[in-house]
Amino acid sequence: AQTVTQSQPEMSVQEAETVTLSCTYDTSESDYYLFWYKQPPSRQMILVIRQEAYKQQNATENRFSVNFQKAAKSFSLKISDSQLGDAAMYFCAYRSAFGSNYQLIWGAGTKLIIKP
Amino acid sequence: NAGVMQNPRHLVRRRGQEARLRCSPMKGHSHVYWYRQLPEEGLKFMVYLQKENIIDESGMPKERFSAEFPKEGPSILRIQQVVRGDSAAYFCASSPSAENSPLHFGNGTRLTVT
Repeated sequence: AQTVTQSQPEMSVQEAETVTLSCTYDTSESDYYLFWYKQPPSRQMILVIRQEAYKQQNATENRFSVNFQKAAKSFSLKISDSQLGDAAMYFCAYRSAFGSNYQLIWGAGTKLIIKP
Repeated sequence: NAGVMQNPRHLVRRRGQEARLRCSPMKGHSHVYWYRQLPEEGLKFMVYLQKENIIDESGMPKERFSAEFPKEGPSILRIQQVVRGDSAAYFCASSPSAENSPLHFGNGTRLTVT
């Protein structure tokens, strides 16, 4: 069975600095998708970024980028120029390419604190 | 275009009572999914419904839990005879189709059982 591990329960960063959140996963599949979701205090889950395992290039969305290391089964999220609005829980999630989008396997989350 | 609407936002029930959680999907979305989130954990899939049909209920406990998505009206997640262990945040998501459509989440209902 696939698992997703986020080893950092909490991270803090100074506003405008860069922070990296870690995520590792375990799977025997070669084709899959990886996601980072943000959950602010409003509790709504918001998709931040998505990576397809067969793509070598790391996904980027404005200040958010990933470092996808397929062999190491690592999928870290880098947030550049951190802003106060980035404060939230961040969840890493995995989905088999043969499954549907609702069949995500979630990590336990990392709480990101932004210091002004 | 309103997003996924869940109500109530907070629900307190005594042990043994029933909890009814409502979810109105985004306009044009006919696929609804329910998830449960325990403290300091990610989401756990419970059930996937299309209008009037349960498609996948593999994550839902066999007893006391039920879900429906009628032709008219919101989707309902019903928990009978609640116990303390049911205390959690329950999230609903919707999508226009089942395959690769991104999920749109609501703000969740936090259920507290006293």
